[in-house]
Amino acid sequence: AAGVIQSPRHLIKEKRETATLKCYPIPRHDTVYWYQQGPGQDPQFLISFYEKMQSDKGSIPDRFSAQQFSDYHSELNMSSLELGDSALYFCASSPRGSGANVLTFGAGSRLTVL
Amino acid sequence: AQKVTQAQTEISVVEKEDVTLDCVYETRDTTYYLFWYKQPPSGELVFLIRRNSFDEQNEISGRYSWNFQKSTSSFNFTITASQVVDSAVYFCAFMDSNYQLIWGAGTKLIIKP
Repeated sequence: AAGVIQSPRHLIKEKRETATLKCYPIPRHDTVYWYQQGPGQDPQFLISFYEKMQSDKGSIPDRFSAQQFSDYHSELNMSSLELGDSALYFCASSPRGSGANVLTFGAGSRLTVL
Repeated sequence: AQKVTQAQTEISVVEKEDVTLDCVYETRDTTYYLFWYKQPPSGELVFLIRRNSFDEQNEISGRYSWNFQKSTSSFNFTITASQVVDSAVYFCAFMDSNYQLIWGAGTKLIIKP
């Protein structure tokens, strides 16, 4: 079965650089979530999209932005990177419209900021 | 406010022992979902189970079983006859009616051969 695809899996950036993470949800999943997991931490909700519109916003820094495109894939853009942005970034999708509410997570994108 | 507590930060057992991971949640909602996810050393988050607030039936899946007790707001997870491959961080999570996932801090499970 198709899963949530995240790219890149690993990314190394310097401070003050910009990074873009991509997420391709499971087909027919209309809701996408982004989470940030720091070392030894539980995942922290950043932002979610439902039918290409932002539906909820969590602890996403102003330096980050995200969007969901017409094909339902989503991109998380991070600018002016800081050392503290080093983390595992998860994307999850769900068929929210159907009420199933089961989030399927991608394998994560590990961002290292040097 | 909603909250999920996994009081056990780390558990270490010898292979073939049974082990129970505790999860206690706080909410005033009547409709909600509870989840368990596994995060092996490779880092991905693997869905294990979802339970809705109206279904208190316990569930067994192979060596895994879950005990949902609304009276004590607990959703505990037991691994029977543990194996080294079960070593991972296990997260309990709560989803409210707004579809917000609230995570416990995770329990690191170490299974020694």
